[in-house]
This record gives sequence, C-alpha cells and structure tokens, in this order.
Amino acid sequence: GNSVTQMEGPVTLSEEAFLTINCTYTATGYPSLFWYVQYPGEGLQLLLKATKADDKGSNKGFEATYRKETTSFHLEKGSVQVSDSAVYFCALNTGTASKLTFGTGTRLQVTL
Amino acid sequence: DTGVSQNPRHKITKRGQNVTFRCDPISEHNRLYWYRQTLGQGPEFLTYFQNEAQLEKSRLLSDRFSAERPKGSFSTLEIQRTEQGDSAMYLCASSLGGSVIEAFFGQGTRLTVV
Repeated sequence: GNSVTQMEGPVTLSEEAFLTINCTYTATGYPSLFWYVQYPGEGLQLLLKATKADDKGSNKGFEATYRKETTSFHLEKGSVQVSDSAVYFCALNTGTASKLTFGTGTRLQVTL
Repeated sequence: DTGVSQNPRHKITKRGQNVTFRCDPISEHNRLYWYRQTLGQGPEFLTYFQNEAQLEKSRLLSDRFSAERPKGSFSTLEIQRTEQGDSAMYLCASSLGGSVIEAFFGQGTRLTVV
C-alpha cells in the first residue's frame, strides 16, 4: 500500500535560516506528490505539487523536487520567516480515486 | 465562492449520542472526500463521493459511520453511538475530477466525545 514518512518535529529555526523537511514515500504505480500546510487555527492548504519524476514544485519560496530514484520529496526554503510557522504535511495520491495519503506532519517554529 | 465550508466547527457530545456534520464543497467540484485527523497525526481517508455516488470507503469507517451526498452537492457525515475514540478533527475536501487532483480542504469539525 501507499505510505508517507516525514521527519519528526518540531523543527525550530531562527528567521532567515535554511529549511529542509524530509519526506519519503512508498507507492504503487506513479504517484503525484504534494505538500500541504496547516497554519494555526486554519484548514489544510495546498502549498505545492509535482506530478512526475524530476518535476519541481514551488510556491511562496518553498520548493520540492520529485526524486523517483530515492522516492523522496523533500521540502526546502532558503530563508524562513516567522509567518512560516505551521505544520507541514507531505502527501501523495495514486489511481482514479485520488484519495490522499498523508505523512504525520512536521511542526515548524520560526523565531526572531 | 468562499471555499469548502464545514459546520459545526466544534461539537462536544456525550458518549452514546449521535452526531451529524455537514460539508459544503466548492460549487463546481464533483468529488468530495472525508478525512479524520487525530492529534499529532496526518489526516486519514474515510470515504469519497463522485457526484452523489459513494465510490470508496475506508476500513476506518465502521458501521456506526454513514456519509451521504444526496444531490451531489453538500454532504453529511453521521456518527451513531459515539465513543471516546471518535474524538478527532473531521475534515472535508473537494476537487474536480481529472488526471491530477488538487483537493481543497475545509477548516474541519472538531468532535470531542465526553
């Protein structure tokens, strides 16, 4: 079956630090990969996506590259801000139903 | 369109009571999903509809749970004879059918069973 493994949090960084949140997956077929973000008190929001190997998804300064050879989709940002503090979820979907399989989430705390 | 709307936002109920949640998806979206999220975990798939047809149900969806989408628009999720283990955030999402699915989520209904 499908599964997603994320690095455990919380991740605490100072503002302007470099961010990496690791995500690896196991899937049947050829999944699409996603990062969702959940800000405090808000619903899940799609941050970025990639649909095939070597695709790079990017949004709001965040990037992730679909690496089929390492089954990974690590999230990166060159310079984090306090406003990036949130929980980040890596997810995938396969098949026509397109239900999402999520990782457990990684909490990011950015301090001044 | 203001996105996916869920009501109520919070529900506290006594063990053994029945509860019902409502989800209004984005208007043109034909697919609707229910997920459950417990503390410290990612959302887990419960069930999904394409228009009014319920096409898949997770093993997590015990016989105490029932979901409907009678006219292919809003959906309801009912839990009968609630148990403390049902306490969770219940998330609804909607999407358009297609080769790449972007699901848009509501803010969820937080259920607490006391």
